[in-house]
Amino acid sequence: DQQVKQNSPSLSVQEGRISILNCDYTNSMFDYFLWYKKYPAEGPTFLISISSIKDKNEDGRFTVFLNKSAKHLSLHIVPSQPGDSAVYFCAASASGTYKYIFGTGTRLKVLA
Amino acid sequence: DAGVIQSPRHEVTEMGQEVTLRCKPISGHNSLFWYRQTMMRGLELLIYFNNNVPIDDSGMPEDRFSAKMPNASFSTLKIQPSEPRDSAVYFCASSSLGTKKLFFGSGTQLSVL
Repeated sequence: DQQVKQNSPSLSVQEGRISILNCDYTNSMFDYFLWYKKYPAEGPTFLISISSIKDKNEDGRFTVFLNKSAKHLSLHIVPSQPGDSAVYFCAASASGTYKYIFGTGTRLKVLA
Repeated sequence: DAGVIQSPRHEVTEMGQEVTLRCKPISGHNSLFWYRQTMMRGLELLIYFNNNVPIDDSGMPEDRFSAKMPNASFSTLKIQPSEPRDSAVYFCASSSLGTKKLFFGSGTQLSVL
């Protein structure tokens, strides 16, 4: 059973526009969420995180929004750049555990 | 810091053979994770260790899979016997208590023929 779901396997966006990647979770015990970016033949690298006490966290062009009641989070990239083309994974964990559950990933392609 | 180091980068083997994947975590990190990446399931957690002790191995698919962490700087994931459906990219990651994020190695691409 997938506790973290990324329902869009792929997304294409024009350079300069906004990219919105979505993630849903089912476990109400999750209280910490992360986004990772993965290029081909490399390991995932940390991008941005958010704790459940917040509903928004911003880092440069990247913003993560958390809607706890809907068990939904999203990653916004503005403006999108061709170098942002990668697979993006959403991950979640619960307090007191070190267990990070990842989604299936969304492949983002930013068109020049 | 060299980051998380995994070896080999690529492994091609025949069905029935034993496969051993290796990982060296970042020095000072006390948690180590093994993940498997497949198209269908994304990044699937297999097992994780805290201070060299296995904490949760519920993701290990079958008894053919085993993992060890004999000391803080080394871990292995073994598949014996290997099967074609084990073909995937296997990632090792480490973290420390204060960071709340994982640092991944470059992965091992395993192909079982």
